[in-house]
Amino acid sequence: DAKTTQPNSMESNEEEPVHLPCNHSTISGTDYIHWYRQLPSQGPEYVIHGLTSNVNNRMASLAIAEDRKSSTLILHRATLRDAAVYYCILSGAGSYQLTFGKGTKLSVIP
Amino acid sequence: EAGVTQFPSHSVIEKGQTVTLRCDPISGHDNLYWYRRVMGKEIKFLLHFVKESKQDESGMPNNRFLAERTGGTYSTLKVQPAELEDSGVYFCASSPRQGLMNTEAFFGQGTRLTVV
Repeated sequence: DAKTTQPNSMESNEEEPVHLPCNHSTISGTDYIHWYRQLPSQGPEYVIHGLTSNVNNRMASLAIAEDRKSSTLILHRATLRDAAVYYCILSGAGSYQLTFGKGTKLSVIP
Repeated sequence: EAGVTQFPSHSVIEKGQTVTLRCDPISGHDNLYWYRRVMGKEIKFLLHFVKESKQDESGMPNNRFLAERTGGTYSTLKVQPAELEDSGVYFCASSPRQGLMNTEAFFGQGTRLTVV
């Protein structure tokens, strides 16, 4: 799987929007961009995924650059419950496993 | 709908003993995965079942680890004999479709294993 690069940590104020970046310059044409998060003492939790177009769901939005070499996970209003490690993962054809990196640790300040 | 459940949530065993972890996937999910995070490291893939068959066990660290999924329902991961470096959190996940390219995996809460 192609590699992703994320900042180690980010901070956000509660109820403010959060933009979590991910670089994936070696992405292939069939790789989907997935985001998972892991809250403290819990298992990873799916957030969102997309291929080329921006995606929205009840948890977040995913903005994908036109060249697909980067993407941004957007939390529209951060809550304390959103404090977690966020992982950006690429998954391509024939991919049966998720390759977790170090992720971005998001802290939310009350 | 029940999510992925794992038992036990915590286990503390002595070096050399045997431990068996259990995972119940979401009903109807043919695909079951085991992952683990050892201290200070990233979450790593261990293996993947499709129904009762091992699709990929490339991540299994050594032959002290044995995973089974008899009948294609729940799965067990046995560590025998356990070593100190096996300490960590073991996660199970399941998904309804083969391949994770365009689908999500559902993870359990994990089993924290401590070998002393």
